[in-house]
Amino acid sequence: SQKIEQNSEALNIQEGKTATLTCNYTNYSPAYLQWYRQDPGRGPVFLLLIRENEKEKRKERLKVTFDTTLKQSLFHITASQPADSATYLCALDMYEGGKLIFGQGTELSVKP
Amino acid sequence: EAGVAQSPRYKIIEKRQSVAFWCNPISGHATLYWYQQILGQGPKLLIQFQNNGVVDDSQLPKDRFSAERLKGVDSTLKIQPAKLEDSAVYLCASSPAAGYSETQYFGPGTRLLVL
Repeated sequence: SQKIEQNSEALNIQEGKTATLTCNYTNYSPAYLQWYRQDPGRGPVFLLLIRENEKEKRKERLKVTFDTTLKQSLFHITASQPADSATYLCALDMYEGGKLIFGQGTELSVKP
Repeated sequence: EAGVAQSPRYKIIEKRQSVAFWCNPISGHATLYWYQQILGQGPKLLIQFQNNGVVDDSQLPKDRFSAERLKGVDSTLKIQPAKLEDSAVYLCASSPAAGYSETQYFGPGTRLLVL
């Protein structure tokens, strides 16, 4: 069956540390993988997109890796800040018409 | 640039009642999406429009849900009759075009509670 799974437990880390979030999928062949941030009571906000033939993408303190052999993406936030506290969603970006299939999200809490 | 607008923000109804949600996408965006997000889960696509045509409605429960996008701009999503399991946040998103690698821009969502 097709599945997309993110860290099931909430992630609690200390300010200044690196947060690493995991997204695993089975029986999908995405063209791209996207990461979104969602704050309580708000809609998701786009962060990064990585192609199937890219190994790594960076944007400021954010880094995404994509391993199509392992069927896994890792999302890193370096020098984390309390303002980074939110739920982070990965989404498989499918070839057919831009359909996004979202994981359940990982809640990140950064303590000062 | 104005974002995606949705209304109402909150709605409480009794089961078997009907409800409608409205979405105004970012100006010029051809593609519009409606998602359902149940608490603790990621958004699930209900329907995708390209201009005023339906691209994908494979996960829309058509016996009770309907959606339209007249004139390729605003859209409404209706539930009739509502069930308890329809309690969720309904998110509208838009993107400049259809196809992969397009960023989707989400509205704030409408939180629906069915009693």
